[in-house]
Amino acid sequence: QVQLVDSGGGLVKPGGSLRLSCAASGFSFGDYDMSWIRQAPGKGLEWVSSISRSGSSIVYTDSVNGRFTISRDNAKKSLFLQMDSLRAEDTAVYYCARGRYYYDSGGYNKFDYWGQGTQVAVSS
Amino acid sequence: DIQMTQSPSSLSASVGDRVTITCRASQSINSYLNWYQQKPGEAPKLLIYATYRLQSGVPSRFSGSGSGTDFSLTINSLQFEDFATYYCQQSYRTSYTFGQGTKLEIK
Repeated sequence: QVQLVDSGGGLVKPGGSLRLSCAASGFSFGDYDMSWIRQAPGKGLEWVSSISRSGSSIVYTDSVNGRFTISRDNAKKSLFLQMDSLRAEDTAVYYCARGRYYYDSGGYNKFDYWGQGTQVAVSS
Repeated sequence: DIQMTQSPSSLSASVGDRVTITCRASQSINSYLNWYQQKPGEAPKLLIYATYRLQSGVPSRFSGSGSGTDFSLTINSLQFEDFATYYCQQSYRTSYTFGQGTKLEIK
């Protein structure tokens, strides 16, 4: 069965760094776009970044552009989010999510499987 | 960015009721609209994609409709397990914005 396991969260001081990981299993990882989505405490969902199946196309939300770096290792079925220059407003649960299937004729872009989330807290 | 606005923000209903949640986009997103359900402490779950397509395993009491800028999620014959928060999300253009959520509570 499809499984995504998020890890790497923790407590970090403003200006610090963290590297999140998402381990995928149960599907052909290299055939899917992948994304990170976050949820601040008591708030709604916010898309953070997406990466195409090959890694050649990457997009970020404006608030993290230049500070966060998404990457993937298809051989290891893993997704990463390097977070630098962290701010208090980056405090959230971060979820990895599976996105568009490359071979889907409909090209539907949907987050159909999610990790369990990893908590990131930025505080002095 | 495309803004997504859901209404209502919260809703009280009883088991067996039929409820509808609406979602409005700030510009046309064709049919690129998804709906998610989230329960406390859990990751969101995809219910409906591309406006009306039911995700595998989702009960048929959930349905979606709309096009352009106005969309809706309808739940027929509410079950106890349906009380949760619901989010719409546009997949037309990055950033893939979500609505602010609709919390469905037991009356």
